[in-house]
Amino acid sequence: DAKTTQPPSMDCAEGRAANLPCNHSTISGNEYVYWYRQIHSQGPQYIIHGLKNNETNEMASLIITEDRKSSTLILPHATLRDTAVYYCIVRVAAGGTSYGKLTFGQGTILTVHP
Amino acid sequence: DTGVSQDPRHKITKRGQNVTFRCDPISEHNRLYWYRQTLGQGPEFLTYFQNEAQLEKSRLLSDRFSAERPKGSFSTLEIQRTEQGDSAMYLCASSFLTGLRETQYFGPGTRLLVL
Repeated sequence: DAKTTQPPSMDCAEGRAANLPCNHSTISGNEYVYWYRQIHSQGPQYIIHGLKNNETNEMASLIITEDRKSSTLILPHATLRDTAVYYCIVRVAAGGTSYGKLTFGQGTILTVHP
Repeated sequence: DTGVSQDPRHKITKRGQNVTFRCDPISEHNRLYWYRQTLGQGPEFLTYFQNEAQLEKSRLLSDRFSAERPKGSFSTLEIQRTEQGDSAMYLCASSFLTGLRETQYFGPGTRLLVL
């Protein structure tokens, strides 16, 4: 799986959009971009994933550049409860018995301030 | 609450003792994963099952670790002769593989402290 690079920490004001960047310059054509977050002492929480098109769900939007070498997770209206470690993960499509593990890096610690 | 449950949530044991953790995945999920997370680090893959078959094990999974998933439902992770270095959060995740799409949902974890 391709390696990802994320800033170690970011701050955001409550109510503003939080834009979390991720670089994955060695991504392959069959690799998805996944985002998870982990609030202190809890299990990781799935946020969103995509292959090449932008994606949006009730939690966030995922913007993937045309060359797929980077992406941005957008939390449109950050709240204090969004304070967490955000992990950007690149993983090969899981078909048949192929390997499906997630490889977590250090992630970005997002702190949302009042 | 993702629907993945783990038991116990916390375990304190003495070095050399055996411990067993249980994971109940989301109903009908055919894949089940175990990860380990130490303080300040992201989770690290240990092993995974597709139905009852254990398909991959990480080199992190020493001979003291064994995992089972009888009948493709719940799973257990046993650590024999625990060491202080085994202290960590043990996370379970489950997923349903459909074609090439798969999303893993994590449980709350079991926090192990070996004294």
